[in-house]
Amino acid sequence: QKEVEQNSGPLSVPEGAIASLNCTYSDRGSQSFFWYRQYSGKSPELIMSIYSNGDKEDGRFTAQLNKASQYVSLLIRDSQPSDSATYLCAVRDFGNEKLTFGTGTRLTIIP
Amino acid sequence: DVKVTQSSRYLVKRTGEKVFLECVQDMDHENMFWYRQDPGLGLRLIYFSYDVKMKEKGDIPEGYSVSREKKERFSLILESASTNQTSMYLCASSFPRVGSGANVLTFGAGSRLTVL
Repeated sequence: QKEVEQNSGPLSVPEGAIASLNCTYSDRGSQSFFWYRQYSGKSPELIMSIYSNGDKEDGRFTAQLNKASQYVSLLIRDSQPSDSATYLCAVRDFGNEKLTFGTGTRLTIIP
Repeated sequence: DVKVTQSSRYLVKRTGEKVFLECVQDMDHENMFWYRQDPGLGLRLIYFSYDVKMKEKGDIPEGYSVSREKKERFSLILESASTNQTSMYLCASSFPRVGSGANVLTFGAGSRLTVL
């Protein structure tokens, strides 16, 4: 069974600091990688997608992908209390439409 | 501006009942998915469909079936509900894996099912 692993946390970060979330995956053929944010009681929403090695920046968010080491990370700069949520890493299997999710990392930003 | 609509937000059913969970999307997406989400286990794929009348088993299909008679509608069926199917059920849809926006899932609000 293909696996996507995340540190479940909880991860606590002071307001204004950088939050770093990590994810590893088992399938070397995985093609597409996603970070979703899920607030308590809500459904997941996409915040970043990344398809090639390197960094991808979008505002305060940076996704990093290293296919050789099979990990993908999400950095949140200038963390805000509104960033407190569970962050889900998702990986698309090679050759099909399925996304496999990690169990999520719960992030708390401390004011 | 609702794009993926799940018919029921909360349901309470009894063991052995047949349960239908409905999902409709208005984005003309080819792919539709049913996940369940449980504490500590994350999101697990039950079934998905990449076209009308097509279905593929996900990671935990046992005890479930699906129906996709129209492109916009994907139904999850619990033939005989059991207590271990108490969960949050999330429907999602996406475009196929090629092109801009490929595989970006849009989720519905979820259906919380309790089986007594």
